[in-house]
Amino acid sequence: EIVLTQSPGTLSLSPGERATLSCRASQSVSSSYLAWYQQKPGQAPRLLIYGASSRATGIPDRFSGSGSGTDFTLTISRLEPEDFAVYYCQQYGSSPPAFGQGTKVEIK
Amino acid sequence: QVQLQESGPGLVKPSQTLSLTCTVSGGSISSGSYYWSWIRQPAGKGLEWIGRIYTSGSTNYNPSLKSRVTISVDTSKNQFSLKLSSVTAADTAVYYCARGSGSYYGWNYFDYWGQGTLVTVSS
Repeated sequence: EIVLTQSPGTLSLSPGERATLSCRASQSVSSSYLAWYQQKPGQAPRLLIYGASSRATGIPDRFSGSGSGTDFTLTISRLEPEDFAVYYCQQYGSSPPAFGQGTKVEIK
Repeated sequence: QVQLQESGPGLVKPSQTLSLTCTVSGGSISSGSYYWSWIRQPAGKGLEWIGRIYTSGSTNYNPSLKSRVTISVDTSKNQFSLKLSSVTAADTAVYYCARGSGSYYGWNYFDYWGQGTLVTVSS
């Protein structure tokens, strides 16, 4: 079973700044089957990125994903007010699909 | 636009069986090569995949819950369901249903989610 570790736990930034979130896997994620989600309080997660770097439908291009093997990154190029939320990575290359513990992006 | 909606009791007694249904609208549950999953999230914690079903009835479960979980599908009603037996307080969580996309022969990312329903296990 692959364990995903996200860092940092909390990221304090100002609107307009760049956010870099990390997701590290305990084993290589096959075929870069890694997704990223955004979750706001009281809401379901929203798919941002799949296949490590493909943006989901309707996701702004300020969100980008990169990485392969065991190290993956979600970058938000310029934070908008609506981007402050919790972000989760998820691997789907092997069973069972698993999520990281989340990174909270908060307003500084 | 596909929409999913969970329904079921919000309170379940310890040792009983939790039962939830997810109704899919905006498209047939049988169309396309999609899997249909249940995912849960305890308050203030992360997400845990519970299991999935294909419209053929084929299922896969998280090994950590496998002995207690049953997922079924009713294509005539465009619904799929979750049963979790012998519940304890540790099963208290928001339960989400979601559509799984990706390779039919592999595992899934989740592109459509229900709003979630809180299930509390308490006497």
